[in-house]
Amino acid sequence: KNQVEQSPQSLIILEGKNCTLQCNYTVSPFSNLRWYKQDTGRGPVSLTIMTFSENTKSNGRYTATLDADTKQSSLHITASQLSDSASYICVVGHAGNNRKLIWGLGTSLAVNP
Amino acid sequence: DSGVTQTPKHLITATGQRVTLRCSPRSGDLSVYWYQQSLDQGLQFLIQYYNGEERAKGNILERFSAQQFPDLHSELNLSSLELGDSALYFCASSVEAANYGYTFGSGTRLTVV
Repeated sequence: KNQVEQSPQSLIILEGKNCTLQCNYTVSPFSNLRWYKQDTGRGPVSLTIMTFSENTKSNGRYTATLDADTKQSSLHITASQLSDSASYICVVGHAGNNRKLIWGLGTSLAVNP
Repeated sequence: DSGVTQTPKHLITATGQRVTLRCSPRSGDLSVYWYQQSLDQGLQFLIQYYNGEERAKGNILERFSAQQFPDLHSELNLSSLELGDSALYFCASSVEAANYGYTFGSGTRLTVV
């Protein structure tokens, strides 16, 4: 079954600290993996998109890694800011019919002063 | 502003009623996608239209329907509403049909009472 699992479910860190969010998937055949940031009550915003051949991609203080062999991805946030408080969602693209996207449930991150 | 416009932002209606949610995609985007996000749930893909034609269908109830008009805006119709239909409904758009890197609107919050 095509699934995307994220951990931890929630996380609280202090401003200025780093953190790493995890994503494990069983989607096959694999097309791409995306990380989205979703502020409460707002639409998701794309942070990174990686294909099979890419194992790391950065967007400012956000760095995503992909290990297609172990089907794992991580999102590392450096020097966290209060505005990083949001839900971070891992999404895996299926390379099969209709290029379906499989959405994780997200990790809720709270950055406290 | 993502360029994807959804109206209305908030909607409160009674059970059994019918509502229409509207989405205007980003300029130049031909694909429109509808998603449902219930409280503390992940995004659930409902349906995709590409250049006026239905492209992919997800977990969309028979009570729900959608269409994309010649000017590329889309409407999601929800009928015989139930309490469980209360959710955030997001629209996203992309240039191509293969949903690579699309952009979300800010959503319509539907409350059924």
